[in-house]
Amino acid sequence: EPEVTQTPSHQVTQMGQEVILRCVPISNHLYFYWYRQILGQKVEFLVSFYNNEISEKSEIFDDQFSVERPDGSNFTLKIRSTKLEDSAMYFCASTGDAEAFFGQGTRLTVV
Amino acid sequence: EDQVTQSPEALRLQEGESSSLNCSYTVSGLRGLFWYRQDPGKGPEFLFTLYSAGEEKEKERLKATLTKKESFLHITAPKPEDSATYLCAVNQAGTALIFGKGTTLSVSS
Repeated sequence: EPEVTQTPSHQVTQMGQEVILRCVPISNHLYFYWYRQILGQKVEFLVSFYNNEISEKSEIFDDQFSVERPDGSNFTLKIRSTKLEDSAMYFCASTGDAEAFFGQGTRLTVV
Repeated sequence: EDQVTQSPEALRLQEGESSSLNCSYTVSGLRGLFWYRQDPGKGPEFLFTLYSAGEEKEKERLKATLTKKESFLHITAPKPEDSATYLCAVNQAGTALIFGKGTTLSVSS
């Protein structure tokens, strides 16, 4: 069964460093997303990506964040100059028709 | 103000004890309502999509229903393996999902 895969599963980084979270969406899907979930809180939308450009973004997705589809399979989220409050689970998702299918997440810990 | 509100926050059931989870929403122009299951430390797992009032979907012991203001996830004769957090999300404009905080279900044998 096709699935969204994310790497790494865990990432620990020093405050102020840059991190790149990687995702391989389901191959025939056209929309790609990043969501985050701070521990104990709800899942929050960050950004959606369609046809090689950002189609929607939330207030959370400021200049600290960027997304890229560097090749035909990978979809990345870059977080520059990480802050303690960026610690969260980051989920990638992709959509074919309407339902979004999520990866297992990357747990980012900023120390 | 939250656009998606789920209740109760937590629910404890005995195996076989049926119950319902509620998701109320305030968004206008609903394009779709989604139910997901989330296990601890894992990503949301898709369960159902509902598009219009009166629609119902079933999968094993779960049945989701939709009205103009809320959705219910009915769990019939739950088993311990149904223990998880159940998330409701809506799609208003575009394709981004707005999630509720979830209901954490614990089923004991």
